[in-house]
Amino acid sequence: QLVESGGGLVQPGGSLRLSCESSGFTFSDYAMNWVRQAPGKGLEWIAYIGGKTINYADSVKGRFTVSRDNAKKSMSLQMNSLDAGDTAVYFCTRAANSLAYCGGDCYTQFDIWGQGTPVNVSS
Amino acid sequence: YVVTQPPSVSVAPGQTATITCAGHNIADKTVHWYQQKPGRAPVLVIYDDSDRPSGIPDRFSGSYGVTAATLTVSRAEAGDEADYYCQVWDFDHHHVIFGGGTKLTVL
Repeated sequence: QLVESGGGLVQPGGSLRLSCESSGFTFSDYAMNWVRQAPGKGLEWIAYIGGKTINYADSVKGRFTVSRDNAKKSMSLQMNSLDAGDTAVYFCTRAANSLAYCGGDCYTQFDIWGQGTPVNVSS
Repeated sequence: YVVTQPPSVSVAPGQTATITCAGHNIADKTVHWYQQKPGRAPVLVIYDDSDRPSGIPDRFSGSYGVTAATLTVSRAEAGDEADYYCQVWDFDHHHVIFGGGTKLTVL
């Protein structure tokens, strides 16, 4: 199970930190991702953190930072310089297959999703 | 890399719906499919082009051709109404690409 938290209302130019808590599996064994969905729009992948690699979508690169704490079984997304275009529901997801199975990074399907946390960037 | 889905597909109850995901040389990529109902998180329904996770009815199937991957929903039910998204990895950039989504209506 994955549970996101930290969403809310933030002013343009502001910052927010999202968290994703895991349970029911060995968190350190898996790559994780953040996916967002703007109101009425489709899914947009924004960040991946694996065993060796971190990747970002161009739309957030340089503004967002993903990190993980395996001891706490959690992942975070630090979001800076937010604008209205970042308004969305943010989901954390698990990449299927263990990092060991994939050889260090897993570029696979997303088999577990959190319920999402809404972020509203508005003045 | 871009993948394209039709915005909407309609199907009568009991009939078969097909949703396509088109992209350049998509046959060279591995396609995954998600179902999302309103207000809910997406659920994986097909992975690795044609495999079904446990708990997904066998009415859901996946296939691929040269120019498009296809999600097929057989014997469609009212409960299958949802948005469906295809997903691939763009390994040139190590980015995930989602299709724009297809709204399936069962009427």
